[in-house]
Amino acid sequence: QQPVQSPQAVILREGEDAVINCSSSKALYSVHWYRQKHGEAPVFLMILLKGGEQKGHEKISASFNEKKQQSSLYLTASQLSYSGTYFCGTVRSGAGSYQLTFGKGTKLSVIP
Amino acid sequence: GAGVSQSPSNKVTEKGKDVELRCDPISGHTALYWYRQSLGQGLEFLIYFQGNSAPDKSGLPSDRFSAERTGGSVSTLTIQRTQQEDSAVYLCASSLGRDVGAYGYTFGSGTRLTVV
Repeated sequence: QQPVQSPQAVILREGEDAVINCSSSKALYSVHWYRQKHGEAPVFLMILLKGGEQKGHEKISASFNEKKQQSSLYLTASQLSYSGTYFCGTVRSGAGSYQLTFGKGTKLSVIP
Repeated sequence: GAGVSQSPSNKVTEKGKDVELRCDPISGHTALYWYRQSLGQGLEFLIYFQGNSAPDKSGLPSDRFSAERTGGSVSTLTIQRTQQEDSAVYLCASSLGRDVGAYGYTFGSGTRLTVV
C-alpha cells in the first residue's frame, strides 16, 4: 500500500525549517527518503530501519517511529538547493518484497 | 559505469507501435528496478530483478509490458501496442543488493515516453 505524505507542498524562505511526514497503515521494515529536482533523477538521501533511529545528512535528518508507522524528514535552516520534491519509499515488514513503494511526494520550494 | 544509464532520454511514438527502453545499471549492482512516473504522481513500481533469480513482475500494468535482464546487467523494458496512457517517465534504478534496509537506490535520468 502506498504511504501517505504530508504536506503535499510547502514554501519556505531561506533559513526556515520544515518537516515532511510519511505514514503507513501497515508495519514497516524500512523507510527511504529521496529528493528529486525538476527534470532530474531522484537522489537517495537516507535509509531508516524500524527501531526509531534517527539519521542525519548535512542539515537534513529523519526519524522513524515504529509504533506510529511514521517517518519524518527534518530540514533545518533551509537553503535554495533544498528545493525539489521529496519522496519517501517504504517496505512492509514480513511482506517478502524487496522493492520500495513510494508516496506521491512533497514539493518543497525555498525562496530567497 | 559511474551511474545508471538509460536510453533513449526521450521517445515519441505513435499509438499502437512497440517501444524498447534500455537501462545500464552500475557495475556490481545486483538489483535492478523499473518504475514509472506520471505527471504529478509518485513512482509506480513495475518490475524488479535480483541477480539470476526470477523477476518480480507484480507491478506490470498489463501483458503489453515485459522486461528482461541479460547477463545480470543491462535491462530492456518493452511496451507493445503502446497506448496514450503509457505516456510517462520510465525510471530505472539499481542497488548493491536486495536488502532494502541497507542499500539505497541509484536512479537513472529516465526515458520520457510520449505516445501520440
